[in-house]
Amino acid sequence: NAGVTQTPKFQVLKTGQSMTLQCAQDMNHNSMYWYRQDPGMGLRLIYYSASEGTTDKGEVPNGYNVSRLNKREFSLRLESAAPSQTSVYFCASSEEGVSNQPQHFGDGTRLSIL
Amino acid sequence: AQSVAQPEDQVNVAEGNPLTVKCTYSVSGNPYLFWYVQYPNRGLQFLLKYITGDNLVKGSYGFEAEFNKSQTSFHLKKPSALVSDSALYFCAVRVSGSARQLTFGSGTQLTVLP
Repeated sequence: NAGVTQTPKFQVLKTGQSMTLQCAQDMNHNSMYWYRQDPGMGLRLIYYSASEGTTDKGEVPNGYNVSRLNKREFSLRLESAAPSQTSVYFCASSEEGVSNQPQHFGDGTRLSIL
Repeated sequence: AQSVAQPEDQVNVAEGNPLTVKCTYSVSGNPYLFWYVQYPNRGLQFLLKYITGDNLVKGSYGFEAEFNKSQTSFHLKKPSALVSDSALYFCAVRVSGSARQLTFGSGTQLTVLP
């Protein structure tokens, strides 16, 4: 049972480079999320997709774009990476975004921007 | 608005002793409250949730949490700590019936000393 799968696990970029973080879930969940985790700040929501075909900004969307490719996949793109985007990125999914159901998390992508 | 506070960055406890990890919240409305645990280099794992009803909620791995509406708290507890409980713990909240997404606390590092 894979759950939420994120690729890559690690990545080093130079300032100004672009990249896409991939996320896929096999639980038939409707809602998917992208968070970043920084020391002492908990998790902050970047973007989310309440259902296939919809995306919405979270708390810290600047510098990111997302694509809900289908029900399973939700990607996060950095168009022009900046050192401030050095972080650990987590993808999560849940049955319904406005329900009381817990979110299920991938193991993260550790991204360093030089 | 909704917010979560975890007043302790670090909690140390001896193996076999009871442990408490504190969480207070602020919401406009009725809260849904969650506890998650994160082990090194892993994503967050769901422990337990409070939706409504009994103020004492039991979850995975022998953990429980007590919802206190008057003190707006949702402290995580375990009667007898294990070294394997050492991890980063996050409290999270959202308002029932709201479209707002989950808000996480900054996390508490629990260390259980053998």
